[in-house]
Amino acid sequence: GNSVTQMEGPVTLSEEAFLTINCTYTATGYPSLFWYVQYPGEGLQLLLKATKADDKGSNKGFEATYRKETTSFHLEKGSVQVSDSAVYFCALSGFNQGGKLIFGQGTELSVKP
Amino acid sequence: DGGITQSPKYLFRKEGQNVTLSCEQNLNHDAMYWYRQDPGQGLRLIYYSQIVNDFQKGDIAEGYSVSREKKESFPLTVTSAQKNPTAFYLCASSTRGGAFFGQGTRLTVV
Repeated sequence: GNSVTQMEGPVTLSEEAFLTINCTYTATGYPSLFWYVQYPGEGLQLLLKATKADDKGSNKGFEATYRKETTSFHLEKGSVQVSDSAVYFCALSGFNQGGKLIFGQGTELSVKP
Repeated sequence: DGGITQSPKYLFRKEGQNVTLSCEQNLNHDAMYWYRQDPGQGLRLIYYSQIVNDFQKGDIAEGYSVSREKKESFPLTVTSAQKNPTAFYLCASSTRGGAFFGQGTRLTVV
């Protein structure tokens, strides 16, 4: 079945450091891929998405490229801020799955001043 | 503004009681979902509905029930059969572009 695997956290960085959170997936066909962010005590917010191979999703300085050859969708940001501290979830929606999302376990990011 | 509203934000339940969590959306989305989140874990799907008057079990449906009488509403009942209900519950609705989440309800058994 479909699944998503994320790098384990927590990840602790200093402000302005480069961020990479790895995400790989297993799926049949051509899933859509997503990154969501969750701030403490809140729901999830869609950060970015990509719907086909080689697409790059981007938002608020974050980027991720849909790599079908490596079944990956790694999240990157060139210079993190303290306000980026949150939990990040990688997710996929399989083809013909009616929008149902399968999530990775989440990666907690803590950015120190 | 369009969005998803969950209520209440905090809910306390005595053992043996049923409780109902509310989820309302005005995004005109056909599909709606309930997820459970436990500390340090990802989200697990409880139930989902792709159309009014129809819904399907997710991965952890035991001890839960839902209804979908209106497109806008997808309430979740946590029954006394759910042995470990303390968790954070998230409702979502979706289009092909992705899912949109409510702010969550934190349920605690006292």
